[in-house]
Amino acid sequence: GAVVSQHPSWVICKSGTSVKIECRSLDFQATTMFWYRQFPKQSLMLMATSNEGSKATYEQGVEKDKFLINHASLTLSTLTVTSAHPEDSSFYICSRRVRDEQFFGPGTRLTVL
Amino acid sequence: GENVEQHPSTLSVQEGDSAVIKCTYSDSASNYFPWYKQELGKRPQLIIDIRSNVGEKKDQRIAVTLNKTAKHFSLHITETQPEDSAVYFCAKEYGNKLVFGAGTILRVKS
Repeated sequence: GAVVSQHPSWVICKSGTSVKIECRSLDFQATTMFWYRQFPKQSLMLMATSNEGSKATYEQGVEKDKFLINHASLTLSTLTVTSAHPEDSSFYICSRRVRDEQFFGPGTRLTVL
Repeated sequence: GENVEQHPSTLSVQEGDSAVIKCTYSDSASNYFPWYKQELGKRPQLIIDIRSNVGEKKDQRIAVTLNKTAKHFSLHITETQPEDSAVYFCAKEYGNKLVFGAGTILRVKS
């Protein structure tokens, strides 16, 4: 199966700062990657679809200016949480699809103080 | 539409007993239905999946059944063990995306 890595695994930041999370596809090139958010004791909610070389597609209710996605290469997608607030504290997980299957990164735990 | 309903939200079973989790959906276009197991703080791990051209799939103690007419699919775990305790999510494809159920907390008591 596909190998997906994320960095950092956890981050603590002050309110108002920006945080960048990297998602790498280590074995296959990925023209499309997905970003999910998971609040405690809740399910995974798709935030956006990251498209290599073009704009990301955001799900309804997700602010594109707050969650900046860049997919500049076939192996790297980044999610930047801008002007983070405590309510942005969550588990952020990226994934890539191989045929039908989704392979998830290990996730990034973001805590905003 | 996009949603997947998952039940129950929590399930406690005695070690050795079976556990069944059920998901229902409403659209007819979905053809791929995976199940994930997630341990605390970890990524979801695919444990079994089923495609719409079959009605049942089994992998050792885990099985999934699919009823496309009734639009529901179920996860069956037999001979449960304490290490099966985790959160289980059903999902279905929607376009090129996955839509997840709300999750079931499974506790296996020894």
